[in-house]
Amino acid sequence: DAGVIQSPRHEVTEMGQEVTLRCKPISGHNSLFWYRQTMMRGLELLIYFNNNVPIDDSGMPEDRFSAKMPNASFSTLKIQPSEPRDSAVYFCASSPGTGRFEKLFFGSGTQLSVL
Amino acid sequence: AQSVAQPEDQVNVAEGNPLTVKCTYSVSGNPYLFWYVQYPNRGLQFLLKYITGDNLVKGSYGFEAEFNKSQTSFHLKKPSALVSDSALYFCAVRDLNSGGYQKVTFGTGTKLQVIP
Repeated sequence: DAGVIQSPRHEVTEMGQEVTLRCKPISGHNSLFWYRQTMMRGLELLIYFNNNVPIDDSGMPEDRFSAKMPNASFSTLKIQPSEPRDSAVYFCASSPGTGRFEKLFFGSGTQLSVL
Repeated sequence: AQSVAQPEDQVNVAEGNPLTVKCTYSVSGNPYLFWYVQYPNRGLQFLLKYITGDNLVKGSYGFEAEFNKSQTSFHLKKPSALVSDSALYFCAVRDLNSGGYQKVTFGTGTKLQVIP
């Protein structure tokens, strides 16, 4: 299994531009999570999907952030317009089910730099 | 609300010595606790989990964790540290949020530095 695949690995953009991060979860997993990691705030949950449906988006910072999961094998996180404070590493993770004993499988992350 | 706390930002240990990375938790019901490790420029990797049963949980790479209900702790341990164990370690708890949906909460992470 290829694991959780994220693209791009690195993204450098200018303030005001639209940024789209992509994630392919592990086949058969029905839960998908987007996290953001910064030195100041640590690992923050942005949004959680179950069976392609957004369940909890309370961590999404503001309206500039949006996430979609059009099918079981693909999710996007979009920032429009981007700001320098959005610079962080964004991780996607998937999980086989919804049980509390299920572990998360993380992608390698997207390092986003907004200039 | 559920939470985990990792009181140490960094732990330094000499190679070959035992190591402990501390974690305490707060949950309303039964705790479902996890440890993850993050190597530089990589995503988090699962190490071990506690669901129920034996208080000493064994995981990957020779790590183990001790669950202590009375102290609400779940400390990560290893009898003999390796330089390759140097990484960032996260404690996590998985529970249901107020809406009845599962929620995973991570600690702030502890950087483990194993000195040759």
